[in-house]
Amino acid sequence: GDSVTQMEGPVTLSEEAFLTINCTYTATGYPSLFWYVQYPGEGLQLLLKATKADDKGSNKGFEATYRKETTSFHLEKGSVQVSDSAVYFCALDRGSTLGRLYFGRGTQLTVWP
Amino acid sequence: SQTIHQWPATLVQPVGSPLSLECTVEGTSNPNLYWYRQAAGRGLQLLFYSVGIGQISSEVPQNLSASRPQDRQFILSSKKLLLSDSGFYLCAWSIYGQGIGGYTFGSGTRLTVV
Repeated sequence: GDSVTQMEGPVTLSEEAFLTINCTYTATGYPSLFWYVQYPGEGLQLLLKATKADDKGSNKGFEATYRKETTSFHLEKGSVQVSDSAVYFCALDRGSTLGRLYFGRGTQLTVWP
Repeated sequence: SQTIHQWPATLVQPVGSPLSLECTVEGTSNPNLYWYRQAAGRGLQLLFYSVGIGQISSEVPQNLSASRPQDRQFILSSKKLLLSDSGFYLCAWSIYGQGIGGYTFGSGTRLTVV
């Protein structure tokens, strides 16, 4: 079945460090891929998305490229800030009428000043 | 604009008590609606989804139930809470076919069963 696998956390970085959070997926067809962010005590917010192979989603300095050949959608940021501390979820939607998202388990990121 | 309201924000309930969490959506029609639970240190578990009024599908057997009495209202209920029902409950909506994809989430309800 459809699934998303994220790297295990937590991830702890110093401010201005480079961030990579790995995400791979299993799905039939051509799913859309998403990254969501959850700040402490809040719901999830859409961070970025990509709807077809080789698309690059970007937002707030974060980027992820839809790689069909490696079934991956890794999240990257060149220079993290303390305010980026949050839980990050990778997700896929294979475009059914239901519009159901399959989420990874989430990766906790903590950035120290 | 489209918004989603979820309440209450926090709730502390004794074991065996009933539960009712409400979620309403504004600014859209006929959305798909979802209830997720996020237990401490764990990922998101889909509990229920609905593609229309009165249409509820359950993903996992549990102590909870859901109802959709109106197009933009989704309610999560329990007759008798268990300790294991503690968690962070999130409501979300999506619109299929509008080229957007993904969900819009509510701000969540933190439920602690004591």
